Amino acid sequence: GQNIDQPTEMTATEGAIVQINCTYQTSGFNGLFWYQQHAGEAPTFLSYNVLDGLEEKGRFSSFLSRSKGYSYLLLKELQMKDSASYLCAVRASGSARQLTFGSGTQLTVLP
Amino acid sequence: DSGVTQTPKHLITATGQRVTLRCSPRSGDLSVYWYQQSLDQGLQFLIQYYNGEERAKGNILERFSAQQFPDLHSELNLSSLELGDSALYFCASSPGLGQGETQYFGPGTRLLVL
Repeated sequence: GQNIDQPTEMTATEGAIVQINCTYQTSGFNGLFWYQQHAGEAPTFLSYNVLDGLEEKGRFSSFLSRSKGYSYLLLKELQMKDSASYLCAVRASGSARQLTFGSGTQLTVLP
Repeated sequence: DSGVTQTPKHLITATGQRVTLRCSPRSGDLSVYWYQQSLDQGLQFLIQYYNGEERAKGNILERFSAQQFPDLHSELNLSSLELGDSALYFCASSPGLGQGETQYFGPGTRLLVL
């Protein structure tokens, strides 16, 4: 089975940097995804890591350590529109490609 | 806009009823995934289809069923509805079964069972 943990809520100030952590335990690992979801809307893809290290994409970066079962999403230069839920999802190994999602971290950006 | 479409956007029905949710994947995508998102459960994988065939099953109830048609659109059928089935139902699609493929989500169908 799979178990994914991430903080329930975080608060940060506009213009600041925030790091959202995710730890996971899986019977097999085939990649980790981060999605952003605004309330009542569809999750939108942010990043994908399958190898150890940092992936940078504009204001967003994601890090993975497979040996530690750990990832983080780093958001820089926070904007009010970044207030959303951030979902960590793990893809299991095997022929299927479904994702197991964490419960999400609700980020509130304050002015 | 992800390119994945879902209908209807909202659905209100009564307990014991049956509903069908529809999903059209992005052009060219062969894999379709269905997820349920309720307030207390988060985003839960239900079922996956690839090119018309069932590929993986998650926490899908026996009252629920799905299929993928030759034109690759998919339908999720929910029957004998209960109050607890009220949730957002998302469909996602990806090109195939490749390791690094991203799933792109549709706007969802909000189901309210009264």
